[in-house]
Amino acid sequence: EVQLVESGGGLEKPGGSLRLSCTASGFTFRNVWMSWVRQPPGKGLEWVGRIKTESEGGTTDYVAPVQGRFTISRDDSKNRVYLQMNGLKTEDTAVYYCTKDSEAWGQGTLVTVSS
Amino acid sequence: DVVMTQSPLSLPVTLGQPASISCRSSQSLVYSDGDTYLSWFQQRPGQSPRRLVYKVSNRDSGVPDRFSGSGSGTDFTLKISRVEAEDVGVYYCMQGTHWPPTFGQGTRLEIK
Repeated sequence: EVQLVESGGGLEKPGGSLRLSCTASGFTFRNVWMSWVRQPPGKGLEWVGRIKTESEGGTTDYVAPVQGRFTISRDDSKNRVYLQMNGLKTEDTAVYYCTKDSEAWGQGTLVTVSS
Repeated sequence: DVVMTQSPLSLPVTLGQPASISCRSSQSLVYSDGDTYLSWFQQRPGQSPRRLVYKVSNRDSGVPDRFSGSGSGTDFTLKISRVEAEDVGVYYCMQGTHWPPTFGQGTRLEIK
């Protein structure tokens, strides 16, 4: 059974940093592109970014609102994908989900950016 | 970015009756490989999104066959043949053909 478990959310001040983790199980992690999607409270879904497999160079892509501030990385030895968020803004407040091919989703972790 | 437009945004339905949600994209979702990467998701209250349908009409494992997807090009539809109480939630379409993937605004299904 595919499982994705996010952690690392919390309250941070504007301009601060947080690192989210997503631990995967139930599939061959190294062979899969992983993504992060976010959902502001009471609003819709927004793709954040993705990371390809290491065999494909581990290339990352991001949406414009987070480009240059967020970084996705992966550790295939630990079956984990990370989302490093720097320069946080109040509009980054959201539940952050990791997802495998949009087929499987974690339970999400809440990030609140507020002074 | 590709804009996904859903209608209606609110959908009150009587139990046992059918329901239909429309999704239109601002450009064709046919990819260079010939496939169309249009998916539908259900998000029940307090839960993570769950994919129901991928590549327009393929149901995910465990999805009841009362859910069906159809369409082509820029116009797509999710149909529920007979709504049950457990279907309450928000439904999203999503295109994965063009980067970045984008979602519709969501359609809130409620029981009348």
